[in-house]
Amino acid sequence: SYVLTQPPSVSVAPGKTARITCGGNNIGSKSVHWYQQKPGQAPVLVIFYDSDRPSGIPERFSGSNSGNTATLTISRVEAGDEADYSCQVWDSSSDHPVFGGGTKLTVL
Amino acid sequence: QVQLQESGPGLVKPSETLSLTCTVSGGSISSYHWTWIRQPPGKGLEWIGYIYFTGNTNYNPSLKSRVTISLDTSKNQFSLNLSSVTAADTAVYYCARACSADSCPFDYWGQGTLVTVSS
Repeated sequence: SYVLTQPPSVSVAPGKTARITCGGNNIGSKSVHWYQQKPGQAPVLVIFYDSDRPSGIPERFSGSNSGNTATLTISRVEAGDEADYSCQVWDSSSDHPVFGGGTKLTVL
Repeated sequence: QVQLQESGPGLVKPSETLSLTCTVSGGSISSYHWTWIRQPPGKGLEWIGYIYFTGNTNYNPSLKSRVTISLDTSKNQFSLNLSSVTAADTAVYYCARACSADSCPFDYWGQGTLVTVSS
């Protein structure tokens, strides 16, 4: 089955840029979605189809996907961005969704 | 605005069946993958399975022998049954929606409900 690998944690100072990676075999050929999850809350879609933003998500959130790595980039990080971020793709061979293990973003 | 709301017991005894219902409001239950996802305490998201509005289902192979997802279009609800539960099934259970086109994201989620397996 398809596996997505994320770093357990990323730390960044306020105002700087955070980059969260999601690794998978030839993930560049798949569509990647990103979810933000704050403590005690349900996940919220922040990036879909690699780089699209749902309405209401700040332009500071962007995504890219190429080769074996997809990346969620958060510019001008704010304290309110502190959360867990998970990537997700569909495994086309089985028609199953697959989630990465999640990355905890800490704002220093 | 589409809303999903999980309901069901918060405590289930080991070896019994966990049963949850997700009520969909603000939109039709047609043409989507209606999905159950869970998250054990302190861990990542795990897909359980989904049901398409036609009634077709697809389950996580690791849970397939114990999972049944059903749909009640007249009530705009879908349900999860997970049998023979153990402490490892303790988790927050979410219902979510994904469109039926290729590689859709989960765009709407319920708030989640914590189910604890304990005697």
